[in-house]
Amino acid sequence: GENVEQHPSTLSVQEGDSAVIKCTYSDSASNYFPWYKQELGKRPQLIIDIRSNVGEKKDQRIAVTLNKTAKHFSLHITETQPEDSAVYFCAPSKTSYDKVIFGPGTSLSVIP
Amino acid sequence: EAQVTQNPRYLITVTGKKLTVTCSQNMNHEYMSWYRQDPGLGLRQIYYSMNVEVTDKGDVPEGYKVSRKEKRNFPLILESPSPNQTSLYFCASSFGTSGTDTQYFGPGTRLTVL
Repeated sequence: GENVEQHPSTLSVQEGDSAVIKCTYSDSASNYFPWYKQELGKRPQLIIDIRSNVGEKKDQRIAVTLNKTAKHFSLHITETQPEDSAVYFCAPSKTSYDKVIFGPGTSLSVIP
Repeated sequence: EAQVTQNPRYLITVTGKKLTVTCSQNMNHEYMSWYRQDPGLGLRQIYYSMNVEVTDKGDVPEGYKVSRKEKRNFPLILESPSPNQTSLYFCASSFGTSGTDTQYFGPGTRLTVL
């Protein structure tokens, strides 16, 4: 099955700085690459996703980049704000595999 | 409003007392799933269902049962709960029949087994 890792496991940045979280996966057939955000005491929610035919996708301050050759994709958050403080999960998957496997999560703290 | 609902939101029970956590979605989604979330272990899939009457094991199915008799409902059953099933449980649904679509999560059920 898919082996998913995230780095770093914790990240602390000053407000206004950028944050980058990397997700590494093992299955080269993976074709869907989402990032979920979970605020304290809340449910996970999708913030951005990308499919394998696209290398990069951007939505305001958030972007995701995909490197299929190296089998990793990254979440980029620019101009971080305190409300970006949360745990972020990746969950790479493929069409022919029905399970969903989440990465272990990255705890991001944005210091005002 | 499109949503996934779970009940109850909080539950304290004792070892061995059968319980059911309900999950319902109103988005006509094909795929439904149960996860448990424990500190340091992230989200782990318990069971999933790709369609009515089709269910399969996730990574941590031991001690749990599910059923999918209707498209909108996917209850999680603990026949004989044990303390190691104390956890935060999330139900989720998505549009397609595999894991390659956005997962929409319910609000979570915090279960304590004494």
